[in-house]
Amino acid sequence: DTAVSQTPKYLVTQMGNDKSIKCEQNLGHDTMYWYKQDSKKFLKIMFSYNNKELIINETVPNRFSPKSPDKAHLNLHINSLELGDSAVYFCASSQDQGYQPQHFGDGTRLSIL
Amino acid sequence: GDSVTQMEGPVTLSEEAFLTINCTYTATGYPSLFWYVQYPGEGLQLLLKATKADDKGSNKGFEATYRKETTSFHLEKGSVQVSDSAVYFCALSNTGFQKLVFGTGTRLLVSP
Repeated sequence: DTAVSQTPKYLVTQMGNDKSIKCEQNLGHDTMYWYKQDSKKFLKIMFSYNNKELIINETVPNRFSPKSPDKAHLNLHINSLELGDSAVYFCASSQDQGYQPQHFGDGTRLSIL
Repeated sequence: GDSVTQMEGPVTLSEEAFLTINCTYTATGYPSLFWYVQYPGEGLQLLLKATKADDKGSNKGFEATYRKETTSFHLEKGSVQVSDSAVYFCALSNTGFQKLVFGTGTRLLVSP
């Protein structure tokens, strides 16, 4: 059973398009996250949601809009895609404690043409 | 702000060699410390963690000790295998902040 699942695994699209990435966790966790991993493997948090409420928004352009319909899902919508958005996006989840380890999905590789 | 510094890679070893990957951190308060591993084409997996000073995290032969006096959390393994080839990330999570701050990752390549 997959704990944190993301779809799609690969996403190739053109500049200016709008796209969404979906994430679901079946661990019963209260908190979900989106991270961006650039071409040099550097990982940086983008957003964190706790029980559907936005907790962290790390200076991400407002073209990126997370949506959490329930605490098991956290989707990421990106408007007007730019070349610099090419990266691997990881979803993660954890229990609602700052020290609890996070469980990651396998990532979505976004390539902008 | 909080930050994590890892040694640059790649680290190239022969099978059964001893591994050390250095990690130091800067943080206010009392963070928890983690090592995550990323195998090719996969997401990150928690390898081990330590939540307070002098704690030792261990898993699959890997160990790291939380050293508050040197603000370090170095990863060690006595005898690496080819299957250990991956990217290793040191990370911290601080009080009240529900996010991980990652180091830049260190690629480990183990040859037979």
